Amino acid sequence: QSALTQPASVSGSPGQSITISCTGTGGDIGSYNYVSWYQQHPGKAPKLIIYDVTNRPSGVSNRFSGSKSGNTASLTISGLQAEDEADYYCSSYTSSSTLLYVFGTGTKVTVL
Amino acid sequence: QVQLVESGGGLVKPGGSLRLSCAASGFTFSDYDMNWIRQAPGRGLEWVSYISSSGSTIYYADSVKGRFTISRDNAKKSLYLQMNNLKAEDTAVYYCARGGGTLLRGYFHFWGQGTLVTVSS
Repeated sequence: QSALTQPASVSGSPGQSITISCTGTGGDIGSYNYVSWYQQHPGKAPKLIIYDVTNRPSGVSNRFSGSKSGNTASLTISGLQAEDEADYYCSSYTSSSTLLYVFGTGTKVTVL
Repeated sequence: QVQLVESGGGLVKPGGSLRLSCAASGFTFSDYDMNWIRQAPGRGLEWVSYISSSGSTIYYADSVKGRFTISRDNAKKSLYLQMNNLKAEDTAVYYCARGGGTLLRGYFHFWGQGTLVTVSS
C-alpha cells in the first residue's frame, strides 16, 4: 500500500479558491467515507481540518470544505488567506494488509 | 483543553532501543483510541500504530511490526511506544494522536507536539 496521491504544490492569490486532490484506490477512499484532512505549518504538529469527507471540527473556518467522488477526495480552500500557506495531508482508512490508515503525499499551498 | 505531551525521544545507535511516552490531559483518556504517527525530516506523515481505548486491539504498520510495541496505562493517562532494533529509517518526529471516532473512521483529532528520534551511529 503506497501513499495516497496529492499534487506536490498548489498556489493561489489572496481571496481566490484552490482545490487539492487526493487520489487513492478502491481499497481506501473508494470504499469508505472516512477521509480526513490535516493542515501543518512549518515546525508545528498537524491540525485536523476535515473528517468523514465533509465535516469540520469545531473552530475550523468554513472556508475549508471537503468532498469525494469515486477514488478521489478533494479539499477546497475558499477566500485564500496568507495564514493558509502550509502543507496539507489527506488520510483514509485502508483495507490494506500492511497498514490501517494511509496518508497522502502532501501538498504545499503557497499564497502568492 | 486537550493536551498530549510526548517525551522520550533522542539519539540512539542502530540496533538500539527507545521508549516513547505520551501524557494525556483534558479529556477522559480511557474513552479514546490512540495512535502513533511519525514524520521523517522533510517528508510526509506515516501512520505507525493504533491501540483501542481498552488496549485490547492493536495494529502496526508493516514497517515497524515485530520491532515496535504500543501500550497504554489508562490509570496513568499515558500512551507508550517501545521501539527496539531501531534502524536509520526510523529517524523521525513521532507524534501521539487521539482518535476521533471508531477504528474505521480513523481521523486524528488532537496531536501532541512530537518528539524527535534520531537513529545514527
